[in-house]
Parts: sequence; structure tokens; C-alpha cells
Amino acid sequence: DSGVTQTPKHLITATGQRVTLRCSPRSGDLSVYWYQQSLDQGLQFLIQYYNGEERAKGNILERFSAQQFPDLHSELNLSSLELGDSALYFCASSVEAGNEKLFFGSGTQLSVL
Amino acid sequence: GESVGLHLPTLSVQEGDNSIINCAYSNSASDYFIWYKQESGKGPQFIIDIRSNMDKRQGQRVTVLLNKTVKHLSLQIAATQPGDSAVYFCAENIKNSGNTPLVFGKGTRLSVIA
Repeated sequence: DSGVTQTPKHLITATGQRVTLRCSPRSGDLSVYWYQQSLDQGLQFLIQYYNGEERAKGNILERFSAQQFPDLHSELNLSSLELGDSALYFCASSVEAGNEKLFFGSGTQLSVL
Repeated sequence: GESVGLHLPTLSVQEGDNSIINCAYSNSASDYFIWYKQESGKGPQFIIDIRSNMDKRQGQRVTVLLNKTVKHLSLQIAATQPGDSAVYFCAENIKNSGNTPLVFGKGTRLSVIA
């Protein structure tokens, strides 16, 4: 167990809908990262928050947004969902802002039908 | 695009043999590297890391080798066991990059034959 908690484990929804994925980092970790994993793209970095502030942005679509709350948990919001958004979404956390190992949650499997 | 890649997408190894998983990186500014193991239905799990001031680092049954000259990273698993069957990812980070996160390769699937 990495100490990173993600909910829900599975999510099935329809195109055009909006969903929210939740992540609680390891105790004491200030950074939260979101990654998308699909069969043909591997692990793609979406966005990072550090102590409540956006720290880095990757290939995150405009339809997607995230935030980190004062208690350091994070939410990833996916809207106007398309079939191609179906993927595993991982949250990871680390103590500081970068150049260190990340601890991953078990992921949320999103299926858009 | 990604600057981290893998030489072999799949690797089958006899139980008890040693496994070697390779990774190439293209960013010469990368100075921190990590290997992750991902089992089916689970998130990536940290195995071992190495910084660019080292050429070799050993863990329990695992060794990571770094060749900065040819920008090559490898993971050696000794006495491979069925429980080692998983997808292995290398990842790189650029020192003092500020806002650059870990970049992952596409992964190598290791299958252990009993």
C-alpha cells in the first residue's frame, strides 16, 4: 500500500458527461500529480499541484481541470467526456515539488460509453 | 514527445534466470532516474532510483545501471520469480528543472516462465 488513496476505483459514464476523481496523498506529502494511462500512450503527465498551487502542466485538455485543497487532497474534473477519454487515471504524491520518487495510488478506471 | 523509450516491449524469462530490462533516454540534462513496476490492476510501484552522479545502485535482487555516455539505463533482476511478472517503466527527471515532472517510458512487459 503506497498510502495514496484514489476514489472511485471504477467509473462508467456516457459521452458528454462530467466526472470528478478524488485523490488523498500520503501523509506529509505536499505534491500531487495526475497521470493518464491508456494502452497506446503509456503514462502521460497531466498536472501537478504543490501545497495548493498549480506547479506544472502537461498534456492536459482544456476540458479537464484540477485543484488541490487546503487539506492537500486533490480532485481531477473531466467534462464533456469523449470515448477517447476512457483510461486509467493515476494520482501520485511526493514530499516536495520534484526531482524525487512519486508514490502512486491504485488508479481510477474510467469508461466512457 | 517523450524523451524516454524502451528497447524491448516484451521479455520472457525462465524462473530463476536473471532479467535485464533496458531503457534509453535522450535528454542529457536528465539527472534522476527511477524504475517502477506495475502489476495488473495496480498503480506503478517504486523499485529503485539512481542519480546521475552514480553508475550503479543495488537493491534487494535488483540493480540499476546508468551509462550517461550512451544515455542508457538498465534494470537487472536477479533470480527472477513469478511474482516479478509485471510491466516495468523507467522514468526520468531533469535536475533543477523547476516544473518538469517525471517522464515515463512506454514500459516493458516481463513474463516469467515457471
